[in-house]
Amino acid sequence: AQKITQTQPGMFVQEKEAVTLDCTYDTSDQSYGLFWYKQPSSGEMIFLIYQGSYDEQNATEGRYSLNFQKARKSANLVISASQLGDSAMYFCAMREGQGDYKLSFGAGTTVTVRA
Amino acid sequence: SAVISQKPSRDICQRGTSLTIQCQVDSQVTMMFWYRQQPGQSLTLIATANQGSEATYESGFVIDKFPISRPNLTFSTLTVSNMSPEDSSIYLCSVGGIGTGTGYTFGSGTRLTVV
Repeated sequence: AQKITQTQPGMFVQEKEAVTLDCTYDTSDQSYGLFWYKQPSSGEMIFLIYQGSYDEQNATEGRYSLNFQKARKSANLVISASQLGDSAMYFCAMREGQGDYKLSFGAGTTVTVRA
Repeated sequence: SAVISQKPSRDICQRGTSLTIQCQVDSQVTMMFWYRQQPGQSLTLIATANQGSEATYESGFVIDKFPISRPNLTFSTLTVSNMSPEDSSIYLCSVGGIGTGTGYTFGSGTRLTVV
């Protein structure tokens, strides 16, 4: 079974508007971590934001915020005030348990920002 | 967060040959991970490289095809052996574990084309 599901293959957003990227996860562990990465066409993976399963507050990093709904097992990424440079592939990932640091990735969502 | 230097950034190789990819980290890290990203796909974990022990390979990946070295806590190599066009992918290293914080940093990636 898929551990991370991203149902939006591609999205278009107007410059300066906000966009929400969906991510749902599946785990039976109580301790886990959720990550979002950005991958521009250059191929590098850029870490954006992290949410721990025990964190009570939603994570925020500048224009990025993570809408963490634990009961629904969702961890959606919100990008506010989109910029042309935000056009990229975005991956949601999860680390499960304690002591195991490998990540499982979703299929990704391509975001295209229009001027 | 740790900073990773990965090289080469890209290469074009003949089928049947081997390529060794290097990752150097600017601090000591417990675990290093090697991922493969086939064209248009998400990241798939190849193996976990632990210092002082054999790498742990994920299902579908074998040591003969992807030998890994981890001579110390700051360095690892992945070799792609006896390459075929199906090995054309982006290969990325990452770090995790104690000392790496919550943002799992990736190297800049190696874009491999096998002809």
